[in-house]
Amino acid sequence: TQLLEQSPQFLSIQEGENLTVYCNSSSVFSSLQWYRQEPGEGPVLLVTVVTGGEVKKLKRLTFQFGDARKDSSLHITAAQPGDTGLYLCAGAIGSSNTGKLIFGQGTTLQVKP
Amino acid sequence: EAQVTQNPRYLITVTGKKLTVTCSQNMNHEYMSWYRQDPGLGLRQIYYSMNVEVTDKGDVPEGYKVSRKEKRNFPLILESPSPNQTSLYFCASSFYYSTDTQYFGPGTRLTVL
Repeated sequence: TQLLEQSPQFLSIQEGENLTVYCNSSSVFSSLQWYRQEPGEGPVLLVTVVTGGEVKKLKRLTFQFGDARKDSSLHITAAQPGDTGLYLCAGAIGSSNTGKLIFGQGTTLQVKP
Repeated sequence: EAQVTQNPRYLITVTGKKLTVTCSQNMNHEYMSWYRQDPGLGLRQIYYSMNVEVTDKGDVPEGYKVSRKEKRNFPLILESPSPNQTSLYFCASSFYYSTDTQYFGPGTRLTVL
């Protein structure tokens, strides 16, 4: 079983702080996605990274794919209460034309005003 | 409105009583998938379908069946539910592959007594 280890599992910070969530595996991924999920809803895709070393920015969120395509990180600058939620990484192993997707355990983020 | 719908949203049943959770999408997507979400485990893929009449196992297929007779529908069948299948279930769809943007349904919370 391929594993995608996500850390930390829980994070509680004050508004305005920065944070980083990590997603690591021993497997190589053809692409990696980050999702955000709010209570009572399904996950919503934030970004997909495909190329080793790729960096993508989405407002205050910065996503990076490791050079070897085995790890990824999500960095949030100046977190706001609206960032509160469950963040999930998900990786596709092998071809990008695949049906399989492996999810990390998730990081529950709480941003206090 | 483009969406993925699941029914029922909540279900309490007893061990051994066959049930079906329906999933339908109106986006003409080729790819559909079922996941279960349990605390601390993230999402785990049960089955996926790349096209009509084409289905394949995800990471945790035991105890589940699926069918894809039409492009828009992808029901999840539990022939003989057991308490360890108590979980939150999500259906998702995307244009072609798991690596495309997946749109998730609202979830079905299943309790098996």
